[in-house]
Amino acid sequence: DSGVTQTPKHLITATGQRVTLRCSPRSGDLSVYWYQQSLDQGLQFLIQYYNGEERAKGNILERFSAQQFPDLHSELNLSSLELGDSALYFCASSLGNTQYFGPGTRLTVL
Amino acid sequence: KNEVEQSPQNLTAQEGEFITINCSYSVGISALHWLQQHPGGGIVSLFMLSSGKKKHGRLIATINIQEKHSSLHITASHPRDSAVYICAVRSWNTDKLIFGTGTRLQVFP
Repeated sequence: DSGVTQTPKHLITATGQRVTLRCSPRSGDLSVYWYQQSLDQGLQFLIQYYNGEERAKGNILERFSAQQFPDLHSELNLSSLELGDSALYFCASSLGNTQYFGPGTRLTVL
Repeated sequence: KNEVEQSPQNLTAQEGEFITINCSYSVGISALHWLQQHPGGGIVSLFMLSSGKKKHGRLIATINIQEKHSSLHITASHPRDSAVYICAVRSWNTDKLIFGTGTRLQVFP
């Protein structure tokens, strides 16, 4: 158990819908990272927050947005969902250099 | 060409064999990570390296910064080592991780 929690574990929704994925970092970790793992593209970095502020941006679509709240939990919002958004979404947290990964949310868009 | 390349893509071994997985990268990095992804999907960070060699139990990771290459070795492999092993590099000027495509290892009893 990494200490990072993600909810929900599984999410099935339809194209065009909007969903919110939630991540609670390890106690004391200030950084939260979001990653997408799809079958055809592997793991990709989406975005990083540090203590509430956006720190780095990767291959995140404009339809996706994220935020980190004062209690350091983070949410990833995915809107106008497409079939290709079906993937595993991981968050990770860190205080130093090692990232601790959550169990992931499996999103299926039908 | 991917910035992080791993080889082999797939690897099968008999229990007890010595395993080597290779990772080459083309960008400047501040650190390299080896991750293990279990069949259920969970990801565990195995090592973070910026130079030299690290050992944890039966796992050994090495990095050669000049050659932009890292290896992950598993000694006395066991069926529970079956997983996907992923190399990821942190680019030198950001905290972004760039991932390899992973090596799927299956160890048979």
